[in-house]
Amino acid sequence: AQTVTQSQPEMSVQEAETVTLSCTYDTSESDYYLFWYKQPPSRQMILVIRQEAYKQQNATENRFSVNFQKAAKSFSLKISDSQLGDAAMYFCAYRSATNDMRFGAGTRLTVKP
Amino acid sequence: GAVVSQHPSRVICKSGTSVKIECRSLDFQATTMFWYRQFPKQSLMLMATSNEGSKATYEQGVEKDKFLINHASLTLSTLTVTSAHPEDSSFYICSARDIQGLNTEAFFGQGTRLTVV
Repeated sequence: AQTVTQSQPEMSVQEAETVTLSCTYDTSESDYYLFWYKQPPSRQMILVIRQEAYKQQNATENRFSVNFQKAAKSFSLKISDSQLGDAAMYFCAYRSATNDMRFGAGTRLTVKP
Repeated sequence: GAVVSQHPSRVICKSGTSVKIECRSLDFQATTMFWYRQFPKQSLMLMATSNEGSKATYEQGVEKDKFLINHASLTLSTLTVTSAHPEDSSFYICSARDIQGLNTEAFFGQGTRLTVV
């Protein structure tokens, strides 16, 4: 079974600074997708960024980028120019070819003004 | 992005009663929907995969007789918590994927906070 590990229960960053959230996963599959979701206090799951495993190029969405290391099974999220609105729980997720999505334990990000 | 509507957002029910939660894909068709449960300050745990027109696939440890799932159409899946008990109190979230498969992401409902008293 696939597992997703987020080793940082909490992270803190100063406003306008950069922070990196870590994620590793375990799988024997070659075709899969990786995601970072944000969950604010409203608890609505919001997609931040996604990466297809077959793509070597790291995904980027404005201030959000990933460092995808397929051989190491690592998928970290970098948030640049952090804003107060970035404060939330962040979940790393893995989706297999069979379509079910598995989540890591989450990282609570605090942004200090 | 696509919209998934989950209803109700909050529900309080008495112990021993049943409660139904609906998950609708509003602007796309979904052959597969997923039901998750989230305890406070914890991650989303997959409960079951709901397939249109067939039986749901439950994760290990999830009681299929307690958590009844029906996926009668390509836009609607329901989760019924039967004979609810206080330990069933939790946050339940559904998600759905577009049947066209053009999007690799899953779209999430707003979640339902269930409180059993």
